[in-house]
Amino acid sequence: NAGVTQTPKFRVLKTGQSMTLLCAQDMNHEYMYWYRQDPGMGLRLIHYSVGEGTTAKGEVPDGYNVSRLKKQNFLLGLESAAPSQTSVYFCASSGQGERTEAFFGQGTRLTVV
Amino acid sequence: DQQVKQNSPSLSVQEGRISILNCDYTNSMFDYFLWYKKYPAEGPTFLISISSIKDKNEDGRFTVFLNKSAKHLSLHIVPSQPGDSAVYFCTGGGADGLTFGKGTHLIIQP
Repeated sequence: NAGVTQTPKFRVLKTGQSMTLLCAQDMNHEYMYWYRQDPGMGLRLIHYSVGEGTTAKGEVPDGYNVSRLKKQNFLLGLESAAPSQTSVYFCASSGQGERTEAFFGQGTRLTVV
Repeated sequence: DQQVKQNSPSLSVQEGRISILNCDYTNSMFDYFLWYKKYPAEGPTFLISISSIKDKNEDGRFTVFLNKSAKHLSLHIVPSQPGDSAVYFCTGGGADGLTFGKGTHLIIQP
């Protein structure tokens, strides 16, 4: 049971480059989330999805786009990376309408130089 | 506007004693609260939760208390063990998902 899997685990980008982070979950969860963690800032929500084909903005959505074409996958895209996007990115998923916990992936450490 | 506040960035406790982590929130729409634990280089893992209609939930060494009138919750760990050393996130849950505090780094001293 893999749970939530993020790829890649590490990446270094040059300013202006683009990339896509992939999140996959095998728990048939409706909700999926992308967070970023920065020192002293906790976890901040970038975008989330409440079901296949839906996306919504979180607290810090600027500079990112997302897609949820399949229920099990949630993609986070950076069209033109900036040094301010250097961070650790976490994907999570949770069941629909349940007061249950979200399950997190292991994180992707992204450095933009 | 920070909806979930953890005002202590770090806390040091002796092994075997009680650890108390505190959290304040401003969003009255949260209908449940969770605590997550995070080790370095790993994703957060769920620890314990509490519904907004309850004032206490206990699971082994971990107890969460909720004071709705004060918009305050706390996590008690007793007895504290070395493996409890981690960052703990207080989290509010609602229709738009989870809102995390900035975290408290708990250090258990031998």
